[in-house]
Amino acid sequence: DAKTTQPTSMDCAEGRAANLPCNHSTISGNEYVYWYRQIHSQGPQYIIHGLKNNETNEMASLIITEDRKSSTLILPHATLRDTAVYYCIVRGSYIPTFGRGTSLIVHP
Amino acid sequence: GAVVSQHPSWVICKSGTSVKIECRSLDFQATTMFWYRQFPKQSLMLMATSNEGSKATYEQGVEKDKFLINHASLTLSTLTVTSAHPEDSSFYICSASLGHLTGNTIYFGEGSWLTVV
Repeated sequence: DAKTTQPTSMDCAEGRAANLPCNHSTISGNEYVYWYRQIHSQGPQYIIHGLKNNETNEMASLIITEDRKSSTLILPHATLRDTAVYYCIVRGSYIPTFGRGTSLIVHP
Repeated sequence: GAVVSQHPSWVICKSGTSVKIECRSLDFQATTMFWYRQFPKQSLMLMATSNEGSKATYEQGVEKDKFLINHASLTLSTLTVTSAHPEDSSFYICSASLGHLTGNTIYFGEGSWLTVV
């Protein structure tokens, strides 16, 4: 699987958009980009995934650059409950492996 | 999304005893389940891949005789920590996939806290 690079931590004001970047410069053509988040002491929660096109669901939007070497997860209106570690995963095989992720802190 | 459930959520056991953790896919059939371990302030570490009806595939450094994995049905996989020791205390998480394609989403259970005293 392609390796990913994410900032260690970020913070965001409540009600504002949170934009979490992820670099995956070695991604290959059949590898999907997945985003999960993990709230303290819980299992990871699936957020969204995509291959080439931008995706949106009730939780977030995923923007993938045209060369697919990076992506951005957007939480349009962050709330305090969005404070979590966010993992960007690139899957080439069916086994997901996790990096360190980005610790997002949403403050009042 | 699909639901994966783990039981128990937390367990305390004495050193030297064995403890079993169950992972169930509640609303879909999972041919493949994954077991992870997570230590405080660290990321998830894959322990093994469990395929229904066959032996689990363990990651390097994970003792298969210590961490017994059984995947007897399409909705249930179990992890048994045998002869547990304090260093086995950790957060154990399972996940399940709807299929083997890389586009098939993987869903995670709530996790199980194991404390060995």
